[in-house]
Amino acid sequence: EPEVTQTPSHQVTQMGQEVILRCVPISNHLYFYWYRQILGQKVEFLVSFYNNEISEKSEIFDDQFSVERPDGSNFTLKIRSTKLEDSAMYFCASLQDYGYTFGSGTRLTVV
Amino acid sequence: EDQVTQSPEALRLQEGESSSLNCSYTVSGLRGLFWYRQDPGKGPEFLFTLYSAGEEKEKERLKATLTKKESFLHITAPKPEDSATYLCAVQAGGANNLFFGTGTRLTVIP
Repeated sequence: EPEVTQTPSHQVTQMGQEVILRCVPISNHLYFYWYRQILGQKVEFLVSFYNNEISEKSEIFDDQFSVERPDGSNFTLKIRSTKLEDSAMYFCASLQDYGYTFGSGTRLTVV
Repeated sequence: EDQVTQSPEALRLQEGESSSLNCSYTVSGLRGLFWYRQDPGKGPEFLFTLYSAGEEKEKERLKATLTKKESFLHITAPKPEDSATYLCAVQAGGANNLFFGTGTRLTVIP
């Protein structure tokens, strides 16, 4: 079964540093998403990406965040200057006809 | 404002003891209701999509149903490997993204 692959699985960074989270969505899918889940809280939408541009974003997705599809397979989420409150699991997802497939996530820890 | 409420927050069952999880929603223009399973430290794993009231879907010991206000995930004769957090999410209005509830943490005791 096709999978969404995310790297790294765990990243520790110092406050104020930039991080890039990487995702390889399922090939042939057109819509890609980033969600986050702070420990013990619900999964929250960050941004959706279609046809090489942002199609929707939430209030969480401020100027500190950016997304890119640098080549035909990778999809990245960049956080420019990390804060302690950015510590969370970050999930990439892509849309299939029956629903959304999520990756296994990147655990970001900001210290 | 869109709302998705799941109950109970946590549920402990003996192996073989059937039960139901509830997801009630208040959204404008439901386009789909999704059930996911999430294991600790993992991403949500797709279970079902329901699109209209009266629809039902089944997979092994799980059955999902949908009304105009809520969805139920019925678990028949659960096994310890069914232990996980079960998430409900909705897609509504013109948005393509999902709005999640807080989940029900299910523990099945052997």
